[in-house]
Amino acid sequence: EVQLVESGGGLVKPGGSLRLSCAASGFTFSNAWMSWVRQAPGKGLEWVGRIKSKTDGGTTDYAAPVKGRFTISRDDSKNTLYLQMNSLKTEDTAVYYCTTIVRAAAGTNPWFDPWGQGTLVTVSS
Amino acid sequence: DIQMTQSPSSLSASVGDRVTITCRASQSISSYLNWYQQKPGKAPKLLIYAASSLQSGVPSRFSGSGSGTDFTLTISSLQPEDFATYYCQQSYSTPVTFGQGTRLEIK
Repeated sequence: EVQLVESGGGLVKPGGSLRLSCAASGFTFSNAWMSWVRQAPGKGLEWVGRIKSKTDGGTTDYAAPVKGRFTISRDDSKNTLYLQMNSLKTEDTAVYYCTTIVRAAAGTNPWFDPWGQGTLVTVSS
Repeated sequence: DIQMTQSPSSLSASVGDRVTITCRASQSISSYLNWYQQKPGKAPKLLIYAASSLQSGVPSRFSGSGSGTDFTLTISSLQPEDFATYYCQQSYSTPVTFGQGTRLEIK
């Protein structure tokens, strides 16, 4: 069974840092492109960023609101995805989901499936 | 960035009703459009990918259509478990963007 389990959420003060982890199982993690998506309380879904597989370059892309503050990385030996969040702001308060980017073939429409259960990050003084 | 606009933002309907949710992109995205269902306190779940392809395990009462800028998600006969929030998402270009969501409530 494909499974994604996030951890590392919690309460942090503005300006602080936090690292989220996402443990993957049930598929070949090293071949997967992965993404983080967040959802502020009572709000919609917001893409945070993605990381490609190392065979596809391992590059990252970020949404404008987090670029320069957040870093996505991966440890394929541990089947784990990370989100390092620095200089946190109150507006970063959200449930953070990790998800796998599914691509039927290069150049075709990708989609997110499955999703982890999410981990709550609260930024407050 | 490509803006995704869903309508309506909320909708009240009864079990057995046929429901349609629309999603409009600010520019053409071909068929690079996906639909997700989210229930309170749960992670989103993929329903439809590439505008009209039904994800494995999703009931056939769900269907998607459209290309270019205008897309629809249709539920042919609402069931009690379908009351949730629905999101469209474009994967045509980075940054990936989602619609604001459509909350489907019981009438």
